Amino acid sequence: SQQGEEDPQALSIQEGENATMNCSYKTSINNLQWYRQNSGRGLVHLILIRSNEREKHSGRLRVTLDTSKKSSSLLITASRAADTASYFCATPASGGSYIPTFGRGTSLIVHP
Amino acid sequence: DAGVIQSPRHEVTEMGQEVTLRCKPISGHNSLFWYRQTMMRGLELLIYFNNNVPIDDSGMPEDRFSAKMPNASFSTLKIQPSEPRDSAVYFCASSPPSAVTEAFFGQGTRLTVV
Repeated sequence: SQQGEEDPQALSIQEGENATMNCSYKTSINNLQWYRQNSGRGLVHLILIRSNEREKHSGRLRVTLDTSKKSSSLLITASRAADTASYFCATPASGGSYIPTFGRGTSLIVHP
Repeated sequence: DAGVIQSPRHEVTEMGQEVTLRCKPISGHNSLFWYRQTMMRGLELLIYFNNNVPIDDSGMPEDRFSAKMPNASFSTLKIQPSEPRDSAVYFCASSPPSAVTEAFFGQGTRLTVV
């Protein structure tokens, strides 16, 4: 079952703007991950944030986690046309062993 | 390392035929996942293996689907008989031994059943 859901479903911005995507989930988690998928390719891991962390940075990526609201956000700063892709959050499947489950993703288009 | 390798990349088959998808995980990884991606349903987990043993197959749609992992370096997902609604992109992913870690995905197999 899918636990995380991304919002918005689609996002269109101009190069240089910031892009913010959100993820909401249903049950308690010990970590949350964000992945990127370019058209016709497999998913690539971007960043992992643990439940005891509130914010994490990686290059132009900033991820926040609010466990009280069961939500996370992914911010891409100074976006580039090459950032055009779908972005997914992954949370552990409910019930135990780490099995990443994914939402439907946010489709990001960055116009040059 | 070459990453997770899936074959074939594309498969077109007629309804009723048997289809076998193959996956070679990254060496040293002990967890393997099969996912199916469609526009309607997104990315669905089909089955999860740990140390070659199927742990969770609750996502397998029906008896027409079966998966095996005979050793640590090879897994198959078989559909018999195939139906048009099975058309999707099938991904294999693996992850190393760890309580919390990322999954490494293959490039996927695009299956079209006509």
